Amino acid sequence: DAKTTQPPSMDCAEGRAANLPCNHSTISGNEYVYWYRQIHSQGPQYIIHGLKNNETNEMASLIITEDRKSSTLILPHATLRDTAVYYCIVRVGYSGGSNYKLTFGKGTLLTVNP
Amino acid sequence: EADIYQTPRYLVIGTGKKITLECSQTMGHDKMYWYQQDPGMELHLIHYSYGVNSTEKGDLSSESTVSRIRTEHFPLTLESARPSHTSQYLCASSDPRGTGGNYGYTFGSGTRLTVV
Repeated sequence: DAKTTQPPSMDCAEGRAANLPCNHSTISGNEYVYWYRQIHSQGPQYIIHGLKNNETNEMASLIITEDRKSSTLILPHATLRDTAVYYCIVRVGYSGGSNYKLTFGKGTLLTVNP
Repeated sequence: EADIYQTPRYLVIGTGKKITLECSQTMGHDKMYWYQQDPGMELHLIHYSYGVNSTEKGDLSSESTVSRIRTEHFPLTLESARPSHTSQYLCASSDPRGTGGNYGYTFGSGTRLTVV
């Protein structure tokens, strides 16, 4: 799986957009970008994933650069409850293979301030 | 609401005791996992199972053992607890079928273990 680099911490004002960057310069053509978050030592929660197109769901948007070497997770209107560690993971998407393990790195601690 | 349950939520136990951390899921997932996480640190996979009677060691060596006799149940056991086992243990299950590349992970709330 490709290595990812994330800033260790970021701050964001409540109500503003939070933009969390992730570098994955060694990503392969068949590897997806996944984002999870972990709120105060609870179990991680899936947010979103994408291959090359931008993706949006009810939680967030994922913007992947054209060369796919970096991506940004966007929380459009951050709330205090979005304070969490955000993990960017790159790996082959599930397609009927036999390896289902996910490896979590250090992630980015996002602190949303009032 | 949670579909994967871990008990106990907190456990303080003396050195040398045998303990079992329970993990159950009601989603019928074949794949289940145990992660260990020290405060402020990364999650490390210590055990996983891809189905009944299938268990494998994860990326981080652990003195714990696991069993998978039923699909819904994946308990973790420490035969003789030591202070070095103090940590949070998180259980997860996954069902990636039909999810467009998503691994479909669901995590439990964790067991915070303290060995004194």
